[in-house]
Amino acid sequence: EIVLTQSPATLSLSPGERATLSCRASQSVASYIAWYQHKPGQAPRLLIYDISYRATGIPARFSGSGSGTDFTLTISSLEPEDFAVYYCQQRSNWPPELTFGGGTKVEIK
Amino acid sequence: QVQLQESGPGLVKPSQTLSLTCTVSGASIGDGGYYYTWIRQRPGKGLEWIGYIYYSGNTYYNPSLKSRVSISVDTSKNQFFLELTSVTATDTALYYCARSFNYFASDFWGRGTLVTVSS
Repeated sequence: EIVLTQSPATLSLSPGERATLSCRASQSVASYIAWYQHKPGQAPRLLIYDISYRATGIPARFSGSGSGTDFTLTISSLEPEDFAVYYCQQRSNWPPELTFGGGTKVEIK
Repeated sequence: QVQLQESGPGLVKPSQTLSLTCTVSGASIGDGGYYYTWIRQRPGKGLEWIGYIYYSGNTYYNPSLKSRVSISVDTSKNQFFLELTSVTATDTALYYCARSFNYFASDFWGRGTLVTVSS
């Protein structure tokens, strides 16, 4: 089973600042990395899939990058609505089993 | 717009079977192209993939739950289902259904339904 470790657990930043979230896999993964935003009382929202592709309607301030075992979600300039928990997700090649990271909470400083 | 809605009992007794339904609107499960997924979030924890199903009935499950999980589909009703047997308090969670593409990324989600396991 591939384990995803997200860091930091909590990121305290101010609106307008840049957020850099890390997701490290226990072994090399293919391109099947996605990122989600999750706010209390709401369904998770797909931000990024296949490492770097923005989902429909996602603002350009969200970007994904990485390869192998290290992946990053960057929010270039935090808006007030961006404060939430962010999860990375991977899919193993075959069988296609999914795992999530433990999450990074982006909170207002 | 694709919408998913979970339904089912909010309270299940220990050792019994948890059964949930996800009703899809705005898209037809039978058209193919997507897997339909169950994901849960236990209190204070992160997201956990339970498993998913294709319209043909092809399924994949989380290995840690595989012995207790069954996901099925009824394309005529545009619904898919979750059964989790022999539940314990650790199965208390917010259960989400979602539509997934490329076997993994979930682009549309239900709002979630809270299931509590308690006597």
